[in-house]
Amino acid sequence: EAEVAQSPRYKITEKSQAVAFWCDPISGHATLYWYRQILGQGPELLVQFQDESVVDDSQLPKDRFSAERLKGVDSTLKIQPAELGDSAMYLCASSPTGAPSSYNEQFFGPGTRLTVL
Amino acid sequence: AQSVTQLGSHVSVSEGALVLLRCNYSSSVPPYLFWYVQYPNQGLQLLLKYTTGATLVKGINGFEAEFKKSETSFHLTKPSAHMSDAAEYFCAVSRYNFNKFYFGSGTKLNVKP
Repeated sequence: EAEVAQSPRYKITEKSQAVAFWCDPISGHATLYWYRQILGQGPELLVQFQDESVVDDSQLPKDRFSAERLKGVDSTLKIQPAELGDSAMYLCASSPTGAPSSYNEQFFGPGTRLTVL
Repeated sequence: AQSVTQLGSHVSVSEGALVLLRCNYSSSVPPYLFWYVQYPNQGLQLLLKYTTGATLVKGINGFEAEFKKSETSFHLTKPSAHMSDAAEYFCAVSRYNFNKFYFGSGTKLNVKP
């Protein structure tokens, strides 16, 4: 069964360091999402890609966060520099269609647990 | 604008008892509604969804939910809890022709032996 892959699963870093997370969506899924989930809260959308283009990054802290999906397949989310408040689970999800449609189920990866010391 | 409220951040039931997790939504247009489950240190798994049609929807693992437009609710139920149901449950809302999901803050379900 196809799955969304993420790595690493766990990352511990010190504040002011740079970190990067990788996501490989289900093959053929045009839409890719990065979410941040703070402990005890629901996922919050950081950025949404349609193929290689960003369609929504309104909640992405652009002074320190960046995301790319260069070939419209896998994606990288970077934080530089990391702050204590960035400690959270970072989830990647993908959807099967290439345009907004009547219904798009999102398939989630296992997440990357980031701890900033 | 769309939003989701999940009443009760923690719910505890005995094994074999009814599970009821509450979700109320706010949407200016007909909503699409979802329930996801998350086990510790894992991603989210879709339990069930409502888009159109029958308002009582059945999902995996014996869960079901009923869309009640008049009450703007989409509560999740299971007749008999199992120990393996212990997890965190998230309600989410979207709408037609719109890929964005809005998630509730989650409800942690504890199942006592």
